[in-house]
Amino acid sequence: GAVVSQHPSRVICKSGTSVKIECRSLDFQATTMFWYRQFPKQSLMLMATSNEGSKATYEQGVEKDKFLINHASLTLSTLTVTSAHPEDSSFYICSASPTGSGNTIYFGEGSWLTVV
Amino acid sequence: RKEVEQDPGPFNVPEGATVAFNCTYSNSASQSFFWYRQDCRKEPKLLMSVYSSGNEDGRFTAQLNRASQYISLLIRDSKLSDSATYLCVVFPGGSYIPTFGRGTSLIVHP
Repeated sequence: GAVVSQHPSRVICKSGTSVKIECRSLDFQATTMFWYRQFPKQSLMLMATSNEGSKATYEQGVEKDKFLINHASLTLSTLTVTSAHPEDSSFYICSASPTGSGNTIYFGEGSWLTVV
Repeated sequence: RKEVEQDPGPFNVPEGATVAFNCTYSNSASQSFFWYRQDCRKEPKLLMSVYSSGNEDGRFTAQLNRASQYISLLIRDSKLSDSATYLCVVFPGGSYIPTFGRGTSLIVHP
């Protein structure tokens, strides 16, 4: 079946540094990928829609200069958390849907970010 | 009213019990509906799609009630391994961006 791979699965970084998270669709092309954030015991919150070859669409309240999204190819989207702060510590998940899958969503394994 | 609402629970049931969750949605033009399962500290995984006519997969039954704008998930003969959070996912009509419920927590105990 379709697989979406996310890397790294866990990362600890110092406050003020930047962290890049990769999301790859392994056996299908994805013109659109989604990035979510999930705090403990809370629902998935859509951060942005990543569009191949164009700018990402950010949800209200999400700082585009802080959460940089690049979708340079049909199989890879990256999320960079810039100048990370402890409050950015969260579970970040990407997702993608193969064309013709009837809106079936496949998630990456998620990335646990801890900012110390 | 939130676009997609779920009772967060937790639903605490014994092994072998039957349990049902509902999920209400506000957009009457919504077209696609899914149930996902999310284990603690893991990514959500597709449990089943929800079809207009209802569908069953083993111990799991999903139904759609368009008139009342809700979907349901019924789990029969609960297993310990069914303990997880169950997320309702709705695609509003004409949109490719899914809306997630906050999830319903199920705890199955011996």
